[in-house]
Amino acid sequence: DARVTQTPRHKVTEMGQEVTMRCQPILGHNTVFWYRQTMMQGLELLAYFRNRAPLDDSGMPKDRFSAEMPDATLATLKIQPSEPRDSAVYFCASGLGAFGTGELFFGEGSRLTVL
Amino acid sequence: AQSVTQLDSQVPVFEEAPVELRCNYSSSVSVYLFWYVQYPNQGLQLLLKYLSGSTLVKGINGFEAEFNKSQTSFHLRKPSVHISDTAEYFCAVSGDSGNTPLVFGKGTRLSVIA
Repeated sequence: DARVTQTPRHKVTEMGQEVTMRCQPILGHNTVFWYRQTMMQGLELLAYFRNRAPLDDSGMPKDRFSAEMPDATLATLKIQPSEPRDSAVYFCASGLGAFGTGELFFGEGSRLTVL
Repeated sequence: AQSVTQLDSQVPVFEEAPVELRCNYSSSVSVYLFWYVQYPNQGLQLLLKYLSGSTLVKGINGFEAEFNKSQTSFHLRKPSVHISDTAEYFCAVSGDSGNTPLVFGKGTRLSVIA
């Protein structure tokens, strides 16, 4: 059963620490998305890739967030330094084909708490 | 740019009663519309989608939605809900011929009461 795998599932860290979240998209999928979910803002798109190339990361705070795809099986989202306002659930999703017509498959999320 | 408004943040309903979750969208171009469901501590799963054709779309778990272009709505319905339908439901929109990522609404929490 193909699925998107995210690690870690839970992370508690202190303000100022570096946090790296990892995502393994479904094999063969060529689009990858990072979303952040909070009670106040709902689901916000942070960044997305097609064929490993970053297409848009305008949803991310550029000074502290970075997203990369070192290879087709791994996407990373890094926060350095982390702040309490970064506390949220971060979702990775992958898909195939056009961004807006195909089904997105979501991982179970990485719940980040920054103290 | 597209946007989505889910008019109700919470909807409580008794088991076996019908339910409608409302979604309105805003777009200057043709749109594609989606409903996703999120069960506790899980990621989102696709319920149904409207790309073209019949405005009444049937999805999984007995849900259906109707695209109404004049009212810019895509409301989700189920004639009889079960306890297992308790979840968060997200409406999403994309435009520009599918070349833009999905924009999600803030979600509606459906609570089914026994």
